[in-house]
Amino acid sequence: DIQMTQSPSSLSASVGDRVTITCRTSEDVATYLYWYQQKSGKAPKVLIYGVSTLQSGVPSRFSGSGSGTDFTLTISSLQPEDFGTYYCQQSYRTPTFGQGTKVEV
Amino acid sequence: EVQLVQSEAEVKEPGESLRISCKTSGYLFTDYWISWVRQMPGKGLEWLGRIDPDDSYINQRPSFQGHVTLSVDKSIDTAYLQWTSLKSSDSATYYCARHRSSSWIWFDSWGQGTQVIVSS
Repeated sequence: DIQMTQSPSSLSASVGDRVTITCRTSEDVATYLYWYQQKSGKAPKVLIYGVSTLQSGVPSRFSGSGSGTDFTLTISSLQPEDFGTYYCQQSYRTPTFGQGTKVEV
Repeated sequence: EVQLVQSEAEVKEPGESLRISCKTSGYLFTDYWISWVRQMPGKGLEWLGRIDPDDSYINQRPSFQGHVTLSVDKSIDTAYLQWTSLKSSDSATYYCARHRSSSWIWFDSWGQGTQVIVSS
């Protein structure tokens, strides 16, 4: 399996802050990289697919970037509703997820 | 509106069998794969496997092969995840999710999750 390592594991930030979450993969995953947000007790929701394409309906303050084995999810101006846990996922090989980054606002 | 509605929470004893369901609506069932994702209590997400509703072709993570079975009933647009002999380590929330491509496996719609508790 491709290993996915997210950092940090958790973070606390204030409304309006710029937040960056990184995801490192154990091998090159090309553009098969996606980001999800999960709130407690709810199903995950896709934010970004193909490294940088924003899913329809997702606010433009979310953006994705990266290539090869290093990827980033950025929230340009953190809002109160952005609390939750964020996961990266790859499908270059058998799908795997990162361990998650818990964002506290 | 696309919807994936899963069956209710289950409490079972070790060794019992179980089938949970994922009823879809709002799209052509055979146009999208259905994957199942496990989330153990307080933990992250783990992909179990996927099924193509059109022909029931299945890919499974090797660690789950032989322990869970994926199936669909095209006549009622429903996917299933089944165990013949549950273990306490199967206690988790299970999500179904759809994806369009066989290689671009990202999930644009999810069920609400089915919590499975296995305890004696």
